Amino acid sequence: GENVEQHPSTLSVQEGDSAVIKCTYSDSASNYFPWYKQELGKGPQLIIDIRSNVGEKKDQRIAVTLNKTAKHFSLHITETQPEDSAVYFCAASPPSGSARQLTFGSGTQLTVLP
Amino acid sequence: EAGVAQSPRYKIIEKRQSVAFWCNPISGHATLYWYQQILGQGPKLLIQFQNNGVVDDSQLPKDRFSAERLKGVDSTLKIQPAKLEDSAVYLCASSFRDRWDRNTGELFFGEGSRLTVL
Repeated sequence: GENVEQHPSTLSVQEGDSAVIKCTYSDSASNYFPWYKQELGKGPQLIIDIRSNVGEKKDQRIAVTLNKTAKHFSLHITETQPEDSAVYFCAASPPSGSARQLTFGSGTQLTVLP
Repeated sequence: EAGVAQSPRYKIIEKRQSVAFWCNPISGHATLYWYQQILGQGPKLLIQFQNNGVVDDSQLPKDRFSAERLKGVDSTLKIQPAKLEDSAVYLCASSFRDRWDRNTGELFFGEGSRLTVL
C-alpha cells in the first residue's frame, strides 16, 4: 500500500516569513495529493490539493508543488501569520474508483512566532 | 450547511470495557470514513463505507472493532474489549460525489471523539 513520509515534524518561523513542508510518497499510481490543516481540538480541514496532471497550484498565500518523477510534493506558505499556526498533514491517494482513499503523513506542527 | 457531527466528544473507560462512537455525515454524502488518530500521528483509515456497503475495512482490527452504517446515513464504531493502545481520537469524515458521480476527493471531518483507555 501507499506510504507517505512528511518532514519536518515541527517548524517555527517568524511572522511574515515563509514555511515549507515536504512529503514523499511510495505508490507511483497515486494521482491526488491534498493538504489538510488541523487546529487544536478540531478535525482536519482541506486547504489545497493538487492532481498529478499539474505541477503547481496556488491559492493566495498557499502553494503546492508536485514532482511525480521524484515522488515528492511540498506545501509553501508565504507571509505567515499567527493564525497559520496548526498541524499540517499531507496525503496521497491512488485513482479513486468508487471512492477516494487517503494515506496521511505524520504531520508538521507549524508555529508562527509574532 | 451542517458539518459532520460526532459524539461523544470525550470518553474515558477502563481496559476491557466497551465503547461506541456515533457519526452523522453531511447530508447527501455517500462516502463515510472512520479514521484513528493516535497522538502525534496522522489519521489512519479504519473503515470506508459507500452508502451502506463496506468499501475497505482491511485495517480494522476485527477482533475488537466493528462498524456499521445502517440505511446509508449515520454510522457507529464500536470497540469491545478496549485495549490501552486504542487511546486515540476517532475521526469520522464524509465526502460527496459530483453530478458525474465522481468522488471529488475532499474529505469533511468531524471534530472527533477522544478516547482514553486506562
